[in-house]
Amino acid sequence: QSVLTQPPSVSGAPGQRVTISCTGSSSNIGAGYDVHWYQQLPGTAPKLLIYGNSIRPSGVPDRFSGSKSGTSASLAISGLQTEDEADYYCQSHDSSLSGWVFGGGTKLTVL
Amino acid sequence: QVTLKESGPVLVKPTETLTLTCTVSGFSLSNARMGVSWIRQPPGKALEWLAHIFSNDEKSYSTSLKSRLTISKDTSKSQVVLTMTNMDPVDTATYYCARIDSSGCHGYWGQGTLVTLSS
Repeated sequence: QSVLTQPPSVSGAPGQRVTISCTGSSSNIGAGYDVHWYQQLPGTAPKLLIYGNSIRPSGVPDRFSGSKSGTSASLAISGLQTEDEADYYCQSHDSSLSGWVFGGGTKLTVL
Repeated sequence: QVTLKESGPVLVKPTETLTLTCTVSGFSLSNARMGVSWIRQPPGKALEWLAHIFSNDEKSYSTSLKSRLTISKDTSKSQVVLTMTNMDPVDTATYYCARIDSSGCHGYWGQGTLVTLSS
C-alpha cells in the first residue's frame, strides 16, 4: 500500500479534461511538502511533468496543470490527446518515513 | 545536457549482493543542493524510492530497506553506487537513478536497468 493514494485508472475521450488525485496525510502533503508529478509512457523511464505542486518544466504543454490543497494534490489534463496515454505518479516527502514517497500510479486511457 | 545511465548485472542469484552504478554527465555531483536517487519499479508495479545521496554527502534510505542498502558517490568519476545485500526474487525490478534537488524533485532520469533474480 502506497502512502500516497491515487486512483488505479482514469479515462477520457480525446479533447476532454481529466483529473488525477493524490491523497496523503499530515505527515506528507499536509505537512507542506512539495508534490511532484511524473508521466511514464509505456516502456520508458518516468519524466518530470509538474514540480513544486504546480510548476511545469520547460517543454511540458500547458494542458497539464497541478494543484495542492490540504492533504491532497491533483493533476489535471485538458484537451486529452492519444499520446497522453501513460501512467502518472505523484511524489512527496514523508516525515514519518523520513524519505520520499510515490503514489501507486494512475493509468490514463484515452478512449 | 544532463544524462544519467545505470549499469550493473542483468541477472542476480538469491542471497547475492547487487551493485549498481549510475554515471552522470551534464552536471557535477558536487553541485550544491543536488543529488542522485535510486528508484525501482517491479514489473507492472509502482515506483519505489530506495535511497539518495546529496552533494554534501547527506544520505537517506528507504525505511523498509535501510538494513540492506548502501549508497556512495565518487565525484571525480561522476558516479553514484548503490549496493543491495541479500537479494530476493521480490527484488526483481527495473532500477532507475535520477537527479534530485532539495525539494525532492527528480528532474532527470536514467533509462533504467532491469535486474532479474534467478537461481
